[in-house]
Amino acid sequence: GIQVEQSPPDLILQEGANSTLRCNFSDSVNNLQWFHQNPWGQLINLFYIPSGTKQNGRLSATTVATERYSLLYISSSQTTDSGVYFCAVEPSGSARQLTFGSGTQLTVLP
Amino acid sequence: EAQVTQNPRYLITVTGKKLTVTCSQNMNHEYMSWYRQDPGLGLRQIYYSMNVEVTDKGDVPEGYKVSRKEKRNFPLILESPSPNQTSLYFCASGRGTTYYEQYFGPGTRLTVT
Repeated sequence: GIQVEQSPPDLILQEGANSTLRCNFSDSVNNLQWFHQNPWGQLINLFYIPSGTKQNGRLSATTVATERYSLLYISSSQTTDSGVYFCAVEPSGSARQLTFGSGTQLTVLP
Repeated sequence: EAQVTQNPRYLITVTGKKLTVTCSQNMNHEYMSWYRQDPGLGLRQIYYSMNVEVTDKGDVPEGYKVSRKEKRNFPLILESPSPNQTSLYFCASGRGTTYYEQYFGPGTRLTVT
């Protein structure tokens, strides 16, 4: 099956810093989403981005489908950004299954 | 408010006692799905449904049942729970025509003793 690798696995930042999270995938995909899992366990939908670039406030994402990677940018990080960020892909030809990466654990220090 | 709801949020039960976790969405989505999240294994799909009366197995369907009698509801049934089904469960619904942007419920933390 498709492999989804996220890097870095852990990231510690000072409040106000910027960061880039990366998601590599091993095969072509129909769908790519970024999620934030907050400390209470809830999965929050950040971006639906099978290709191109999107921005939402301090967050933006870019997917280059032909090169099989996606990037999530967090600018001016805040303590509320802490949690785990997951990339999830739906492989081309799949049965509507999302395959998740192992996540990036982000800690933003005050 | 558009949302996916799950009940209960927390459940502790004993081996073999049948249980149902409900999932409901108010977004008129055709697609619904169940996942489990385990440390070191990430999120894995259990079952999914493309529409009413249409369900199919995901990666880890053993020990689970689902039904989709109404568009808004997609309950997860554990007929005889076992300790290896202790996990955090998420329901999701998806909008789209061919490919689905998925929205997740708040999760149900299940412990089977």
